Amino acid sequence: DMKVTQMPRYLIKRMGENVLLECGQDMSHETMYWYRQDPGLGLQLIYISYDVDSNSEGDIPKGYRVSRKKREHFSLILDSAKTNQTSVYFCASSLLRVGEQYFGPGTRLTVL
Amino acid sequence: QQKVQQSPESLIVPEGGMASLNCTSSDRNVDYFWWYRQHSGKSPKMLMSIFSNGEKEEGRFTVHLNKASLHTSLHIRDSQPSDSALYLCAAHTEGADRLTFGKGTQLIIQP
Repeated sequence: DMKVTQMPRYLIKRMGENVLLECGQDMSHETMYWYRQDPGLGLQLIYISYDVDSNSEGDIPKGYRVSRKKREHFSLILDSAKTNQTSVYFCASSLLRVGEQYFGPGTRLTVL
Repeated sequence: QQKVQQSPESLIVPEGGMASLNCTSSDRNVDYFWWYRQHSGKSPKMLMSIFSNGEKEEGRFTVHLNKASLHTSLHIRDSQPSDSALYLCAAHTEGADRLTFGKGTQLIIQP
């Protein structure tokens, strides 16, 4: 059963703290994505990863960085979180670079 | 940068009725569209894709594509309460390595 997992599902942090969001997939997909979703703004692309150590900025990369050391695992890091980074974060993967994307369940991050 | 506009922002349709959702790209090089459905509190899931001009039907769902007008539409007939969700349109342009998502149409099916 094809699956994308995300941990944690809910997270509350204080402004200035570091945040690590983790994503895993069991489909051996090369391409993985991080999005954030805010009410009225749709899905905004933060970063794309084409494979291990091959990452590219999306549309809103400022304040974020990523790490992909294994094909099945993709991390999103917020160094010194800000209140405007409060959002729902989705990870996704796809077999082809622009094929169907499979989304994880999301992480709801609140930065106080 | 490509923009994807969806209309209407929200739509209320009676149970059993027809829902029609629209999506337009700003980029003349758009080559295909995806439709995703996202139930409240859940993640988006791919509903349908369309790559060629014309129409594609899957059960109660029909997608139209007109590349000349950079426009796609999704039609849901015999709408059910379980169809209530946020519908996201995503567009791909030639040579791009990513999709661009619209802001979505919130569909509510009233019993």
